[in-house]
Amino acid sequence: QQQVKQSPQSLIVQKGGISIINCAYENTAFDYFPWYQQFPGKGPALLIAIRPDVSEKKEGRFTISFNKSAKQFSLHIMDSQPGDSATYFCAARGGRYYGGATNKLIFGTGTLLAVQP
Amino acid sequence: DTEVTQTPKHLVMGMTNKKSLKCEQHMGHRAMYWYKQKAKKPPELMFVYSYEKLSINESVPSRFSPECPNSSLLNLHLHALQPEDSALYLCASSRGLAGEVGEQFFGPGTRLTVL
Repeated sequence: QQQVKQSPQSLIVQKGGISIINCAYENTAFDYFPWYQQFPGKGPALLIAIRPDVSEKKEGRFTISFNKSAKQFSLHIMDSQPGDSATYFCAARGGRYYGGATNKLIFGTGTLLAVQP
Repeated sequence: DTEVTQTPKHLVMGMTNKKSLKCEQHMGHRAMYWYKQKAKKPPELMFVYSYEKLSINESVPSRFSPECPNSSLLNLHLHALQPEDSALYLCASSRGLAGEVGEQFFGPGTRLTVL
């Protein structure tokens, strides 16, 4: 119940295409779902996040789609650019399941995105 | 100042050495975190501090000892580490622990190699 499953493990997209990364979870007590972008040798950077009472959130070229009934959420990167090549992690926050506000993030396994010019 | 800084960027130590990692933020955040990240893996939570008190210890071996001297500073003291402890050590901070204030911001990490 504490896992977040992420797919695909790696993704190759042509410049200008749409990159789609999917995540699924089991624990309905998760209350916050961020996406992080990480470049080699750097720390993860918060990209965009969504709450389970919202079905979609868009920030620039990045969109999170959230399906509460299916317990799935996805990241869409529109007009993908070579500079978007990085590892992307979805995550879910523990919420009530952890007996209070601990803000513990459960990360997916990561997706290595390569955008070809 | 809107970033989390970590020093040193790289650290090489022997198994008998004692060293410390330092993390600093000046965003007024009251929660700070240590994570460990192995290559091609997601970050794993080690410790959480809230208002300078240890809130979570994820069953981390005692050779890792965290310290939060004040709300802006977080240290990780290392002693008698093993080669398998080699990893990227990440610090993060957030305004608080719940709701939108729980958004975590990561530092660049310290690349630790244990020989």
